[in-house]
Amino acid sequence: AQSVTQPDIHITVSEGASLELRCNYSYGATPYLFWYVQSPGQGLQLLLKYFSGDTLVQGIKGFEAEFKRSQSSFNLRKPSVHWSDAAEYFCAVGESNFGNEKLTFGTGTRLTIIP
Amino acid sequence: DGGITQSPKYLFRKEGQNVTLSCEQNLNHDAMYWYRQDPGQGLRLIYYSQIVNDFQKGDIAEGYSVSREKKESFPLTVTSAQKNPTAFYLCASSAGSGANVLTFGAGSRLTVL
Repeated sequence: AQSVTQPDIHITVSEGASLELRCNYSYGATPYLFWYVQSPGQGLQLLLKYFSGDTLVQGIKGFEAEFKRSQSSFNLRKPSVHWSDAAEYFCAVGESNFGNEKLTFGTGTRLTIIP
Repeated sequence: DGGITQSPKYLFRKEGQNVTLSCEQNLNHDAMYWYRQDPGQGLRLIYYSQIVNDFQKGDIAEGYSVSREKKESFPLTVTSAQKNPTAFYLCASSAGSGANVLTFGAGSRLTVL
């Protein structure tokens, strides 16, 4: 069965500093990979997705992620964080045979930004 | 604007009562989903539906029921059989199979008193 691990429960970063959120997945075939962001008490918004092709994908709000098959990772990065980036971030993997109706989410990483 | 509407935003119920959460979408999406979110556990799939009048159990379907009588609506009933129903519930939709992106509603928070 597919699974997603986000090893960092909580990360604190200074405003303007760079950010990397880790995501490792377990899946036998080529996965569909996603990063979502959630503000408190709200739904999830898609930041970016990887289906195939270029392993470095660009998303909204200046985020990017790199798919590394050899490491089973899909880490999220941002070169300079803003206070508005404080939120919870979820990595997710979908089955490539059936689309994303069986999307599996990680447990999330909560990001705190300090001035 | 197209999107997903969940209601109510907050709901309180007594133990032993059934409660129904509403989810309506005007995106013309074929597939709809219900997830449950608990602190530290991420999102877990309760039920999903890929077409009207058909739905499948997710990973934690026990104590829940759904219906899909219309393309735009996918209500979730939390029954008295659900042992720990206090949680944040998220509805989502997608255009269908084929690695489509999920669009989420704003969620409903259920508290059992």
